[in-house]
Amino acid sequence: AQSVSQHNHHVILSEAASLELGCNYSYGGTVNLFWYVQYPGQHLQLLLKYFSGDPLVKGIKGFEAEFIKSKFSFNLRKPSVQWSDTAEYFCAAYSGGGADGLTFGKGTHLIIQP
Amino acid sequence: ETGVTQSPTHLIKTRGQQVTLRCSSQSGHNTVSWYQQALGQGPQFIFQYYREEENGRGNFPPRFSGLQFPNYSSELNVNALELDDSALYLCASSLDGGPYGYTFGSGTRLTVV
Repeated sequence: AQSVSQHNHHVILSEAASLELGCNYSYGGTVNLFWYVQYPGQHLQLLLKYFSGDPLVKGIKGFEAEFIKSKFSFNLRKPSVQWSDTAEYFCAAYSGGGADGLTFGKGTHLIIQP
Repeated sequence: ETGVTQSPTHLIKTRGQQVTLRCSSQSGHNTVSWYQQALGQGPQFIFQYYREEENGRGNFPPRFSGLQFPNYSSELNVNALELDDSALYLCASSLDGGPYGYTFGSGTRLTVV
């Protein structure tokens, strides 16, 4: 069965620090990958997604992610974080093959200290 | 463009009871998916409805059931509630199935006591 693992459950950074959140998936076939963000009290929002093509994907709010097929990874990065980036971040995968829905990781709680 | 709205926002039920959660899909979307998010976990796929029929299901027992109406709104029903059903229930709508263009609602927080 497909699974998604996120390496860090809690991350604390200072403003202007660089961010990298790890995500690995276990599925050998074609997979679509997503990063979602959930700000406190708000709904899940799509940050970026990868389907095919350029493995470096740029999303909203200055986030980007790199798909490395050989490592089954899709890490999220941001060069300089802001206090407003404090949120829960979820990596998710979709393998297609019908209406199987997304497989989410457990999430990373990111806290940015001013 | 309206987003996805869910009701109620919070609910407390007793073990063994039944509950119905509601979701209005985003305008123009014909597919609704439901997810369960337990505390400290990522969302887990329950099932998906496309044009009023269930066309995908995750690893949830039959006491989790649903409906989709002609206006593409949807209900999630859970029978014989268990304590472990306490979670945030998320609804997501999209066009023509697949998660590519999901819009999520803010969820219903269900507490079973």
